[in-house]
Amino acid sequence: DIQMTQSPSSLSASVGDRVTITCRASQSISTYLNWYQQKPGKAPKLLIYATSNLQSGVPSTFSGSGSGTDFTLTISGLQPEDFATYYCQQSYNTPVTFGGGTKVEIK
Amino acid sequence: DVQLVESGGDLVQPGGSLRLSCAASGLTFSSYAMSWVRQTPGKGLEWVSTITDRGDNTYYADSVQGRFTISRDNSKNTLFLQMNSLRAEDTAVYYCARRSGSYLLGYFFDYWGQGTLVTVSS
Repeated sequence: DIQMTQSPSSLSASVGDRVTITCRASQSISTYLNWYQQKPGKAPKLLIYATSNLQSGVPSTFSGSGSGTDFTLTISGLQPEDFATYYCQQSYNTPVTFGGGTKVEIK
Repeated sequence: DVQLVESGGDLVQPGGSLRLSCAASGLTFSSYAMSWVRQTPGKGLEWVSTITDRGDNTYYADSVQGRFTISRDNSKNTLFLQMNSLRAEDTAVYYCARRSGSYLLGYFFDYWGQGTLVTVSS
């Protein structure tokens, strides 16, 4: 199975900050990388698919980049509603696997 | 709007069985592969199983292979997960999710239900 490692596991930031979350795959996954946002007690919500494609309705403050084994999710201008946990997920092969999550907290 | 509503979660003893359901609305259910994904505090998000749009192919995580069975009734827009020989480590919130994407883009889960809690304990 492909292991997905996210860093950091948590971070504190202020409204308006630029935040970058990293996801590393244990082998090359091309650009088959998706990002989700999850708030407490809620289901994950798709933010970005195929590394850099913004899901419909997701603000343009979210962006993704990378290829191969290293990927980033960037939030440019953190909003109050962005405080949540973020997960990456690879779909290069089965089983699809998720990263351990990055919790973005208010500083 | 797409809605996925899971049901069937409960407290069950080790070795027991449970059947989860996921009622779908607001989408052409029979056009999409569907999946179950579970979440535990300790292991995070874990893909469990996927079934193709017509139900002719199914896929399972090694951890549930041979114990869980995914199925669907396209006439009733409903997805199922039959869970047998349940273990403590199956304790989790179980989400149903629509799988979208393509061979070119890869596959992703673009709609999720609210989840249903399965607790396996004596």
